[in-house]
Amino acid sequence: AQSVAQPEDQVNVAEGNPLTVKCTYSVSGNPYLFWYVQYPNRGLQFLLKYITGDNLVKGSYGFEAEFNKSQTSFHLKKPSALVSDSALYFCAVRDLRGGANNLFFGTGTRLTVIP
Amino acid sequence: DVKVTQSSRYLVKRTGEKVFLECVQDMDHENMFWYRQDPGLGLRLIYFSYDVKMKEKGDIPEGYSVSREKKERFSLILESASTNQTSMYLCASRTKRGGPNQPQHFGDGTRLSIL
Repeated sequence: AQSVAQPEDQVNVAEGNPLTVKCTYSVSGNPYLFWYVQYPNRGLQFLLKYITGDNLVKGSYGFEAEFNKSQTSFHLKKPSALVSDSALYFCAVRDLRGGANNLFFGTGTRLTVIP
Repeated sequence: DVKVTQSSRYLVKRTGEKVFLECVQDMDHENMFWYRQDPGLGLRLIYFSYDVKMKEKGDIPEGYSVSREKKERFSLILESASTNQTSMYLCASRTKRGGPNQPQHFGDGTRLSIL
């Protein structure tokens, strides 16, 4: 069965420092991986996805993610954090059980960027 | 931009009531989804729909039903509300066009409290 794990409930980083939000996955076959962000009192917004090809994927708001097959990881990164990046981040993997291409979500990581 | 609209941002109902949560999308998307979001549990899929009049159970369908009579509208129904259904409910949609890598687009959520 496929799954994703976000090992950190909370990540704190100083403004201007690089940030990393971790995600590991477990799938049979090739993974389709996604990152979403949720700002307070809002729904989830799509950030980026990995389907195939280049292991470094660039997305919205200056975020990028590195796919690492040997470590089964898909960590979200940004070179210089902004206070406005403070939000809840979800990693997701395509759920192979459903024909509607469902997503299986991790439990989320709350990122706090400290001014 | 894709617009997914959930009819209520906040809703308070009583135990035993029949509750309707409505979701409308304006991009002619085939697939629609209902999730509930609880702290520490991430997003869990309740029901999804491949297309009009089609529905499939997700991971936690007990106590819920859905209706999709028109392509743009996907309704979640709590048959007899209970306090353990107090949660944030998120609706999402996605297109089948372009293959399985298309992201889901989310509404802003309905925070439902059952008293």
